[in-house]
Amino acid sequence: KQEVTQIPAALSVPEGENLVLNCSFTDSAIYNLQWFRQDPGKGLTSLLLIQSSQREQTSGRLNASLDKSSGRSTLYIAASQPGDSATYLCAVLTGANNLFFGTGTRLTVIP
Amino acid sequence: DVKVTQSSRYLVKRTGEKVFLECVQDMDHENMFWYRQDPGLGLRLIYFSYDVKMKEKGDIPEGYSVSREKKERFSLILESASTNQTSMYLCATKTTKGEKLFFGSGTQLSVL
Repeated sequence: KQEVTQIPAALSVPEGENLVLNCSFTDSAIYNLQWFRQDPGKGLTSLLLIQSSQREQTSGRLNASLDKSSGRSTLYIAASQPGDSATYLCAVLTGANNLFFGTGTRLTVIP
Repeated sequence: DVKVTQSSRYLVKRTGEKVFLECVQDMDHENMFWYRQDPGLGLRLIYFSYDVKMKEKGDIPEGYSVSREKKERFSLILESASTNQTSMYLCATKTTKGEKLFFGSGTQLSVL
């Protein structure tokens, strides 16, 4: 069964710093990988989706990369802001409706 | 933009009560999902539906049932609520061809 791991579970950085969040998965037979943001007590908001044939996707200050062969994805956040504070989750799709989620990295950006 | 609406943000129920959680989407998506989210355990799939009246068990269906009588509405039912069902419940949708998942804002259920 696919297992998705996100390390570290929590991260604190000063405002303005560039940072990388990690996501690893055990089975490389995936259709895509999606990064989400979750604010406390709220639902998940999709940030970026990378197809299995792609290496990276960019949206504004966010860049997500995918290395399927090594079972890894990273989410790069440039010039972090306090408003980026949230929990970031990754999820891999292995079938039409088979999604596996990581437990997330809780990011705090300190002003 | 896709809108996924969960009827309640917070619910407090008593042990043994029958609980209905409603989810409505406005974009004609075929697939709808119910997850629960608990600290340290992440998101776990309870049930999903790929069409009207069709349902599939997820990883933790025990103690739950679902109903999908109309395409836009997917209901999660706790037949007899128990304290271990206290959790954040999240509804999500996606099309069959598309892979992007859209979530509702969640329902925090407390069973006392």
